[in-house]
Amino acid sequence: AQTVTQSQPEMSVQEAETVTLSCTYDTSESDYYLFWYKQPPSRQMILVIRQEAYKQQNATENRFSVNFQKAAKSFSLKISDSQLGDAAMYFCALDVPGANSKLTFGKGITLSVRP
Amino acid sequence: NAGVTQTPKFQVLKTGQSMTLQCAQDMNHEYMSWYRQDPGMGLRLIHYSVGAGITDQGEVPNGYNVSRSTTEDFPLRLLSAAPSQTSVYFCASSYSNQGNEQFFGPGTRLTVL
Repeated sequence: AQTVTQSQPEMSVQEAETVTLSCTYDTSESDYYLFWYKQPPSRQMILVIRQEAYKQQNATENRFSVNFQKAAKSFSLKISDSQLGDAAMYFCALDVPGANSKLTFGKGITLSVRP
Repeated sequence: NAGVTQTPKFQVLKTGQSMTLQCAQDMNHEYMSWYRQDPGMGLRLIHYSVGAGITDQGEVPNGYNVSRSTTEDFPLRLLSAAPSQTSVYFCASSYSNQGNEQFFGPGTRLTVL
């Protein structure tokens, strides 16, 4: 079974500063995918970034980047130059491909951005 | 493309009532799924489908039924609503269940009194 743990329920960052959101996961498989999804107050779930486990290079999307540590089973999200629009709940998720593939989510972290 | 659509956006039910949450996608995705979101619990998988005519249970399937007669539609049925089913429900779809991005609908907020 797969598990995803987000141990920090809330974080706060000053506008224009950098913040890192933590996520750890557990799976016995070697082939899997990791995601960060953003849920703003509108409730719409939006993909932020995706990482393939077999790629050693950390994924980057503009101001968003990840620190993927496969041996430690850690997948943190770094948001640089934080903006007010980054305020949202962020979910880490794990997908292990296969016949019964299911996306497993962490409990989420609420990020607030101080102006 | 409309993406993933869900109706209704809000619903209030009385205990014991039944209803169907509608979900449709126009991206020709094979994989569709239903999640419920509760405070402090993240998103939990209710049921999923890897293609028309094929469905399977997720983590929290009790009290819910699904069917997938077409690629586009994946309705979720509450058989006899209970207060424990008060939640926000999300439908999602993806090209496959092999690590692809899931596209989410806008959600349905359901309250069971």
